[in-house]
Amino acid sequence: VQLVQSGAEVKKPGASVKVSCKASGYTFSSYGISWVRQAPGQGLEWMGWISGYNGQTNYAEKNQTRLTMSTDASTNTVYMELRRLRSDDTAMYYCARDRGTLVRGRIFDAYDIWGQGTMVTVS
Amino acid sequence: DIQMTQSPSSLSASVGDRVTITCRASQSISSLLNWYQQKPGKAPKLLIYGATILESGVPSRFSGSESGTDFTLTISSLQPEDFATYYCQQSYNSPKTFGQGTKLEIK
Repeated sequence: VQLVQSGAEVKKPGASVKVSCKASGYTFSSYGISWVRQAPGQGLEWMGWISGYNGQTNYAEKNQTRLTMSTDASTNTVYMELRRLRSDDTAMYYCARDRGTLVRGRIFDAYDIWGQGTMVTVS
Repeated sequence: DIQMTQSPSSLSASVGDRVTITCRASQSISSLLNWYQQKPGKAPKLLIYGATILESGVPSRFSGSESGTDFTLTISSLQPEDFATYYCQQSYNSPKTFGQGTKLEIK
């Protein structure tokens, strides 16, 4: 089971970036994928989630007008596109599998598999 | 948005020490709390979910507890490989916010 992300990107301010996350080793449609980013030397920031089943999305309000997540079920790949890039978008971007575990009649969500990260530099 | 406040932000300890990291949620999150470990240059790793449930394959020296909106990660006897940064995350609602992190360093 793994998530493999596309390579590092360098973009100019105002440009767009599209990062891919290819899943393997599990049933793609059974799990959602979340995106988390980390600016250099900073903490983790949740960006949003996309269903592997039907492509339903849920974005953090902060960047939702610039952000689009999508899936390609034929290749088990999830994409994260961020538009109108700014210098403060410089960060490592991670995709993570969102696993729901049933315990004592409740479902607990957690990110059990992570991609290796994609560094996006805006300069 | 639910705010997650971790303390301390950094901590120095020795191999064999017992260490506790705390995370406080700004509202009730009903045990929907995860802990992750991140080493430099690596992706985070899931340690505990549901506040107290140890992820498969994670050593039993890691444990989680909760009291209301306060959550605790305890490492019972620090090993050299445990020196890392630890994050809590609430999975109660969106945005699924993280704490600011606790950096655990060697004394």
